[in-house]
Amino acid sequence: NAGVMQNPRHLVRRRGQEARLRCSPMKGHSHVYWYRQLPEEGLKFMVYLQKENIIDESGMPKERFSAEFPKEGPSILRIQQVVRGDSAAYFCASSPSQVGYEQYFGPGTRLTVT
Amino acid sequence: GIQVEQSPPDLILQEGANSTLRCNFSDSVNNLQWFHQNPWGQLINLFYIPSGTKQNGRLSATTVATERYSLLYISSSQTTDSGVYFCAAEGRSNDYKLSFGAGTTVTVRA
Repeated sequence: NAGVMQNPRHLVRRRGQEARLRCSPMKGHSHVYWYRQLPEEGLKFMVYLQKENIIDESGMPKERFSAEFPKEGPSILRIQQVVRGDSAAYFCASSPSQVGYEQYFGPGTRLTVT
Repeated sequence: GIQVEQSPPDLILQEGANSTLRCNFSDSVNNLQWFHQNPWGQLINLFYIPSGTKQNGRLSATTVATERYSLLYISSSQTTDSGVYFCAAEGRSNDYKLSFGAGTTVTVRA
């Protein structure tokens, strides 16, 4: 049973470019969560999605960030017009249901903005 | 939301030593998990343990939900145990969001 897949594992973007991070949940999981690990700030929740629905995006920055989880295909975290402060590790997790279930984490995408 | 505090922040061990990491949380939990972040940055699920005790090899964990703390035990530590250990909790009022502690950085010396 394959785990949570994320790609790319490393992404380098220049300031002003767009970054697209992909997450494929574990088989049978329809709940996806994105977390960000900023240097010196720890791991923070960003957004929670189910298929075709954003359930909670309270942790997302108000501008430039968006997320989707279409009916077919992986979940996408999109960052437009990246700035140096977006450099971080972005982790995706999935679970088979919501409240109280174990979340399984992917290997993360390390975004570097130059 | 729920607050998660971990102690100690740093731990240096000689290979073969035992240690205990602590996680305190401020609310009742639906979910509590322990992770190991290895030197390559990957988050490895160690335990899903909202209550009770579990063991996996040289690692074990206990959560006392009524007293709002969890403990991670490392026995006979090895250099490969080095890294950062995170505790994360989903509070009853948080619904599905994991709130992470700041982590305990463990260094095991040969």
